[in-house]
Amino acid sequence: GAGVSQSPSNKVTEKGKDVELRCDPISGHTALYWYRQSLGQGLEFLIYFQGNSAPDKSGLPSDRFSAERTGGSVSTLTIQRTQQEDSAVYLCASSLDVGAGETQYFGPGTRLLVL
Amino acid sequence: QKEVEQDPGPLSVPEGAIVSLNCTYSNSAFQYFMWYRQYSRKGPELLMYTYSIGNKDDGRFTAQVDKSSKYISLFIRDSQPSDSATYLCAMSVSGSARQLTFGSGTQLTVLP
Repeated sequence: GAGVSQSPSNKVTEKGKDVELRCDPISGHTALYWYRQSLGQGLEFLIYFQGNSAPDKSGLPSDRFSAERTGGSVSTLTIQRTQQEDSAVYLCASSLDVGAGETQYFGPGTRLLVL
Repeated sequence: QKEVEQDPGPLSVPEGAIVSLNCTYSNSAFQYFMWYRQYSRKGPELLMYTYSIGNKDDGRFTAQVDKSSKYISLFIRDSQPSDSATYLCAMSVSGSARQLTFGSGTQLTVLP
């Protein structure tokens, strides 16, 4: 079946504008994760969803970042008033559940450039 | 100091060489250790998953965990140009996918 898909693949925006990043997880996966990957850095965990609920939002870098998930499927990550330091690859992953040993399947990412 | 340290490379080896990739960590509570492979402009994919200590073999890949030294390794035997990618280590206390801590990745190039 289809893997995790993300859109857009690339996004260039001006500082101060809002952006929305979309993630379509693998069908039937209840858990969904957002990460940020900056150049030369590891994956920085942002937030995860179990169903439509996000139990832990402490990984979001600032209150300009928010995320939602509807219907237990598609998720959007919104960055308001973008800053240049927000430039990174934003990766989404999904897994059947959040339990130990569950494999995460990653999407190709959205490359965000804030000018 | 980062919780997980990984030499960024780049590492360049000839085809057929044995490759050794390593990570060190500071949190002694980590019990689950993973290696991911990430091709250029793609998302990471899980390569190896180990619990606690010891070795795990999967074809040309061997993962080793040395908890006393807080050191994990991934060995690639008979390396191929298709192994050229960035390799990320990841680890967690509980094994839950929501609590992974990643290394920054090592960029590997296998030359034909």
